Amino acid sequence: GDSVTQMEGPVTLSEEAFLTINCTYTATGYPSLFWYVQYPGEGLQLLLKATKADDKGSNKGFEATYRKETTSFHLEKGSVQVSDSAVYFCAHSTDSWGKFQFGAGTQVVVTP
Amino acid sequence: NAGVTQTPKFRILKIGQSMTLQCTQDMNHNYMYWYRQDPGMGLKLIYYSVGAGITDKGEVPNGYNVSRSTTEDFPLRLELAAPSQTSVYFCASIGTGGEKLFFGSGTQLSVL
Repeated sequence: GDSVTQMEGPVTLSEEAFLTINCTYTATGYPSLFWYVQYPGEGLQLLLKATKADDKGSNKGFEATYRKETTSFHLEKGSVQVSDSAVYFCAHSTDSWGKFQFGAGTQVVVTP
Repeated sequence: NAGVTQTPKFRILKIGQSMTLQCTQDMNHNYMYWYRQDPGMGLKLIYYSVGAGITDKGEVPNGYNVSRSTTEDFPLRLELAAPSQTSVYFCASIGTGGEKLFFGSGTQLSVL
């Protein structure tokens, strides 16, 4: 069945370090891919998305490229800030009514 | 623009009690969802609705019920609370043809 697998956390980094969170997926058809972010005490917010192979989604310094050949959508940021501390969820959607499959989430902790 | 509003934010129930989690959105979205978030498990879909009067089961519907009498409201009912229902619950919505889920801020429920 459809699934999303992402690296386990927590990931602890120093400010200005490089961040990578790996995400791979299995899906029938051609899914759209997403990264959502959850700040403490809040609901999830869309961070970025990509709708077809080789598309790059980007927002707030984060980037992820839709790699169909490796079924991956890894999230990267070149220089993290303390304010990037959050839980990051990889997700895909294949159905017309918007059924989303979420990964387990990766907690990122950025220290000063 | 309030977006998706959930109430209450926190609740403690005794085993066997019942309660309703309220969810309302003011974006005229057709699609609404209830998810539960368990630690390290990501989000699991409980129920969803594609429009007023239409609801369907998600991955983990047992122990829950929903109704959708209006486009705006999508309450989630727990009839006989069990410790296994201790979780954080999120309501979300999306417009027709859209790909961005809008989430409420969540309800933290403990069943003791």
